[in-house]
Amino acid sequence: QVQLQQWGTGLLKPSETLSLTCAVSGGSFRGYYWTWIRQPPGGGLEWIGEVNHSGTTNYNPSLKSRITISSDTYEKQISLRLASVTAADSAIYYCARGRGKFFFWGQGTLVTVSA
Amino acid sequence: EVVLTQSPDTLSLSPGERATLSCRASESVRSSFLNWYQQKPGQAPRLLIYDSSNRATDVPDRFSGSGSGTDFTLTINRLEPEDFAVYYCQQYGSSPPFTFGPGTKVDI
Repeated sequence: QVQLQQWGTGLLKPSETLSLTCAVSGGSFRGYYWTWIRQPPGGGLEWIGEVNHSGTTNYNPSLKSRITISSDTYEKQISLRLASVTAADSAIYYCARGRGKFFFWGQGTLVTVSA
Repeated sequence: EVVLTQSPDTLSLSPGERATLSCRASESVRSSFLNWYQQKPGQAPRLLIYDSSNRATDVPDRFSGSGSGTDFTLTINRLEPEDFAVYYCQQYGSSPPFTFGPGTKVDI
């Protein structure tokens, strides 16, 4: 059974950098794209970006200047870094497996940006 | 980017009734690469239907999807109590960013 386990800092101040990690177990890491998606409290879903096992990335243009998504095939982990956060970046952040269709999701990490 | 619009915003129904949810795209979704997710409070979304009409593993057959081009529909026959949730459509027919609709809440 594929499982995605996430962790990272849950409370940030404006201008700090968000950093999250997602570890994959129970399935192959190679051959898949891995995606980050976020959801503001009470809001809808926003695709942030994706990475494959070789490090190829695609980012949402609305966030591209601030995002870095990376993969570690040995550790079977993906990471998200989002620089210069503001209150608008407060959301639940999910990692998910897939490119375009997401069958497996992490449990979500609530990130709050507050002074 | 492709903008998805869902209607209605909220659908108030009773168990046993049929729910019909609509998703409209701002441009044609290539190859019907349109998915539906169910989300319950405090949970991650769950993929129900992929590529317009294919049920994901373990999804009951009361859920069905249809559509092509710019118009897609999720139908839930004989609503069960556990079906009351928010439903999102999502497309990946064009280059990233892959986009989600704003959601339809199905409640009692």
